[in-house]
Amino acid sequence: EVQVVQSGAEVKKPGESLRISCKGSGYIFTNYWISWVRQMPGKGLEWMGRVDPRDSYTYYSPSFQGHVTITTDKSIRTAYLQWSSLQASDTAIYYCARHSDADGGYDIFDNWGRGTLVTVSS
Amino acid sequence: DIVMTQSPDSLAVSLGERATINCKSSQTILYSSNNKNFLAWYQQKPGQPPKLLIYWASTRESGVPDRFSGGGSGTDFTLTISALQAEDVAVYYCQQYHTTPPTFGGGTKVEIK
Repeated sequence: EVQVVQSGAEVKKPGESLRISCKGSGYIFTNYWISWVRQMPGKGLEWMGRVDPRDSYTYYSPSFQGHVTITTDKSIRTAYLQWSSLQASDTAIYYCARHSDADGGYDIFDNWGRGTLVTVSS
Repeated sequence: DIVMTQSPDSLAVSLGERATINCKSSQTILYSSNNKNFLAWYQQKPGQPPKLLIYWASTRESGVPDRFSGGGSGTDFTLTISALQAEDVAVYYCQQYHTTPPTFGGGTKVEIK
């Protein structure tokens, strides 16, 4: 069974750093891109960026470029989303999602993690 | 970025009745070389992640009930639930993947009347 399992909820203060994770199982991890999607409280879905686990090549939405970093460690089948300096406006649920097609190609997301709630408050 | 606009924002439908959601893209998402529309639909129930329902505008994901159907081409698309069931209460999102970054519509909340 294909699964993407995310790390647990986080509570942080403004200015702190954070890394959340997404572990894939039940499929060949390096064959499928992983994307990260933000959902702010009570709002819709925003695509942040993607990573190719084979070579760690990343592509960011211009809206998030420079504010977050997406990485992957294929040896442990895990993708990461990290911030060096959180802001209160980063409070949201962050989903990782596996792309549906092996070897990339299309931004169709067929398996989603349950989300990681990140709360940034002083 | 391609802007996706959904309508209505919410709708209430009686059990067993038809629900139709509209989605409009700011530019065509029909790729002429393969004649495919680069559009997906997702369902998000309260407290859950989104779930892929339909891609290529009209192809149902494995396991999705056939009461869900997608249609349209170019810039105008629809998601239809032919006979609403209680478990279909959710927010539905369209998403284009024709151009990076992929973008989502604002969502349509479907409730029981």
